[in-house]
Amino acid sequence: GAVVSQHPSRVICKSGTSVKIECRSLDFQATTMFWYRQFPKQSLMLMATSNEGSKATYEQGVEKDKFLINHASLTLSTLTVTSAHPEDSSFYICSASRVRGVYNEQFFGPGTRLTVL
Amino acid sequence: TQLLEQSPQFLSIQEGENLTVYCNSSSVFSSLQWYRQEPGEGPVLLVTVVTGGEVKKLKRLTFQFGDARKDSSLHITAAQPGYTGNYLCMGSARQLTFGSGTQLTVLP
Repeated sequence: GAVVSQHPSRVICKSGTSVKIECRSLDFQATTMFWYRQFPKQSLMLMATSNEGSKATYEQGVEKDKFLINHASLTLSTLTVTSAHPEDSSFYICSASRVRGVYNEQFFGPGTRLTVL
Repeated sequence: TQLLEQSPQFLSIQEGENLTVYCNSSSVFSSLQWYRQEPGEGPVLLVTVVTGGEVKKLKRLTFQFGDARKDSSLHITAAQPGYTGNYLCMGSARQLTFGSGTQLTVLP
């Protein structure tokens, strides 16, 4: 299967600071990547769709100025949590879409655990 | 994003029992993926089904895509404790659609 990496795997920061999370597709190009957050024992919650070379599309209720997404290349998308607060503490996961002819397959990264003190 | 109706949400069974997880939608999908997620990790792709009526097997796991490509099932035969985890279905169409997950616990 295809490989998607995330960096860092864990980050602890102080309230008010910004944190950048990287998502990379290592062996395929992904014009579309997705960002999710997940709380303990809950399902994934889609935050936004990251499109290479254009603005991200955010799900309803997700603040675009709070969660900045940049998809600068076909293998890299970044999520920046700006002015983080304790309520932003969560497990953040990305997925990258690999085109297989007439359909797409999603490959997920290993996730980033964010703790805001 | 529309949710796929995934059931059951929680399932606890004894080792050796069979089980089936269902994902249903009113939407037609070009493909549907099944994933398994363990705590603190990202979901790992198990299988992709593409053709209506398609059946794929992965050891004790059998995946089926509905004839109309609107639903799918995952059947586990004689489950073992190693199959404990959260199983998630995700459908691809014009937008991403995924289920709420099934937390499976297989007791020894």
